[in-house]
Amino acid sequence: QTVVTQEPSLSVSPGGTVTLTCGLSSGSVSNSFFPSWYQQTPGQTPRTLLYNTGTRSSGVPDRFSGSILGNKAALTITGAQAEDECDYYCVLHVGSGIWVFGGGTKLTVL
Amino acid sequence: QVQLVESGGGVVQPGGSLRVSCTASGFTFTDYGMHWVRQAPGKGLEWVAFIRFDGTFQSYAASVRGRFTISRDNSKNNLYLQMNSLRSEDTAMYYCAKAMRTGYEIDYWGQGTLVIVSP
Repeated sequence: QTVVTQEPSLSVSPGGTVTLTCGLSSGSVSNSFFPSWYQQTPGQTPRTLLYNTGTRSSGVPDRFSGSILGNKAALTITGAQAEDECDYYCVLHVGSGIWVFGGGTKLTVL
Repeated sequence: QVQLVESGGGVVQPGGSLRVSCTASGFTFTDYGMHWVRQAPGKGLEWVAFIRFDGTFQSYAASVRGRFTISRDNSKNNLYLQMNSLRSEDTAMYYCAKAMRTGYEIDYWGQGTLVIVSP
């Protein structure tokens, strides 16, 4: 069974830069997995941030960017703000129409 | 603007069945695939199922395959998830989500409907 890995928690200083990653328990992530990223404040509906590795969804600030770093997909926040403190999820298409979410990263801005 | 409104959640006993629905508006429903994603209380997101724009292809997470069925009625702009043989671990908020035309990533989410499986 495919497992998508994310850091359980990360912290960043206000104005700082942080990179969240999305990997596979076995193998490397590439653009062909259509990595996408979602942001969720507790109790709220998820919000789409990035799709197709690095394309920002409508209205998403340009401090959010996506890429492939090494063998993982990555979400980088440049100039973190207090409102960026929430949970972040990635999802990968692992083939045959099957999608798998990572366990999520809880980001603290302090 | 895109709107996805789920309904049909509630409390059901283990082993029971429930059908949740999602009514879409603000886009051409017949042109887009759709997903169901769930989130157990205090847990992360879990992808559940996907259906192609024309209903000719469906895919399921291993945890629900054989018990859940995704379907759509394009004449009513409705998406459905029929859930049978429900278990306590199926307790979750169920989100309807619109897929992008290519790649099929999720771009819009509904507000969710809560399903509780309890004796």
